[in-house]
Amino acid sequence: DAGVIQSPRHEVTEMGQEVTLRCKPISGHDYLFWYRQTMMRGLELLIYFNNNVPIDDSGMPEDRFSAKMPNASFSTLKIQPSEPRDSAVYFCASGKGSSNQPQHFGDGTRLSIL
Amino acid sequence: GESVGLHLPTLSVQEGDNSIINCAYSNSASDYFIWYKQESGKGPQFIIDIRSNMDKRQGQRVTVLLNKTVKHLSLQIAATQPGDSAVYFCAEGGNAGNMLTFGGGTRLMVKP
Repeated sequence: DAGVIQSPRHEVTEMGQEVTLRCKPISGHDYLFWYRQTMMRGLELLIYFNNNVPIDDSGMPEDRFSAKMPNASFSTLKIQPSEPRDSAVYFCASGKGSSNQPQHFGDGTRLSIL
Repeated sequence: GESVGLHLPTLSVQEGDNSIINCAYSNSASDYFIWYKQESGKGPQFIIDIRSNMDKRQGQRVTVLLNKTVKHLSLQIAATQPGDSAVYFCAEGGNAGNMLTFGGGTRLMVKP
């Protein structure tokens, strides 16, 4: 079975540029999560969706960050404009059910902002 | 392909020995707990989970123990193998939809 698919796997860009990260959740999962992982702060939840609707975006660091889920099989995380401190590994995860279910992670996008 | 900081607690074990990784959780209202394994360059991979109505659950070579009295969770790996080398995260949930709160992780190093 296909797991969570993220693209691109690596992104290197200059500060000020717009960055778009993409995620395809596991089919049938109704929850989708975006995380950021850094050496300093570990794994942080940025935002999550239920049935394509954003439920909690309190982890989104600034207005430069935005996320959308136009349909059940696709989500994007956008940073505009990007800054060097946004450099991190960004993970998407999906899950099924209201609670007490594991989240399944993609292999992440390693983002470097120069 | 490092995933978390150099200040991660590290457990070093000999191949073939058993490993025990510990985790203290924070929210006494949490009723779901889960362990993940993260290898270099990859996303966290689900290992095993446990609900608060249980205190022990076994999988293949892994056992999770839950002590709600002291809010402690542990992962036991039997006959540790080089392929078990990774960072292990515990997470707690059940408080808000499908949200999980992750711990800081423990790096397991297996010596041949």
